[in-house]
Amino acid sequence: RKEVEQDPGPFNVPEGATVAFNCTYSNSASQSFFWYRQDCRKEPKLLMSVYSSGNEDGRFTAQLNRASQYISLLIRDSKLSDSATYLCVVNIKGSYKLIFGSGTRLLVRP
Amino acid sequence: DGGITQSPKYLFRKEGQNVTLSCEQNLNHDAMYWYRQDPGQGLRLIYYSQIVNDFQKGDIAEGYSVSREKKESFPLTVTSAQKNPTAFYLCASSIPQDNYGYTFGSGTRLTVV
Repeated sequence: RKEVEQDPGPFNVPEGATVAFNCTYSNSASQSFFWYRQDCRKEPKLLMSVYSSGNEDGRFTAQLNRASQYISLLIRDSKLSDSATYLCVVNIKGSYKLIFGSGTRLLVRP
Repeated sequence: DGGITQSPKYLFRKEGQNVTLSCEQNLNHDAMYWYRQDPGQGLRLIYYSQIVNDFQKGDIAEGYSVSREKKESFPLTVTSAQKNPTAFYLCASSIPQDNYGYTFGSGTRLTVV
C-alpha cells in the first residue's frame, strides 16, 4: 500500500466548476500536510499547507480529517490556469522528509 | 533573489557513463534533497542531507551517489550502476524546523542515449 494515495484522474471540468480532490495517508504519525501544484514538465510548487481546523486561500480550501487520515482540496470557480497536477504531501513526525502522492490531474476546459 | 538552481536543464548520457547533476541554493537552508520523477509517477526520494558533510539514503539510492561539502551545494552523480536512469530529477531544500515545505529547483531531465 502506498503511503499517500490519490485518485490519478484526470478530472475534466468546465470553467467555473467546483472540483474536489481527496487524498488518504497511511502513517498515523503524519504531522504536516501540504498541497503542491505541478505544471507539465515543471517543478512542484507549494500551493498551500493544510491545518487541522481547515484553511482557505482565495478559491482554494483544504481540509484535514486526522481520524480518517484523509485530506481534501476544494477548488471553486475553476479557471483555465488551474489545469495542472495536484500533489498531496505529508511529513512524518520526527522526519525531515516529505512523502508525495502520485498526483491528481485537473483539466479545466473553456 | 534567493532560490535553487539546477543544471543542466537537459542531459544526455551514454550507456556506461557517470554523469553529475548540479544543485546550488542561496536560501541558507540546512536540508537538501534529491528526488526522481518518472512519467505519471510521484516523486521518489534518492538521497537527503540535513547538514554539511552528512547525508542519508532515501528509498531508491542504488546507482546514485551524493556529496555535501558546502551548505549551498548538493550534487548528484548518476553512476553506470543505475540501470534505468532516464527520468526527471528534482533538487529541493528546506529549513526543517519551520515545516513550511520544500523549495524546488526547476529540474534536470536526463535521457540515456
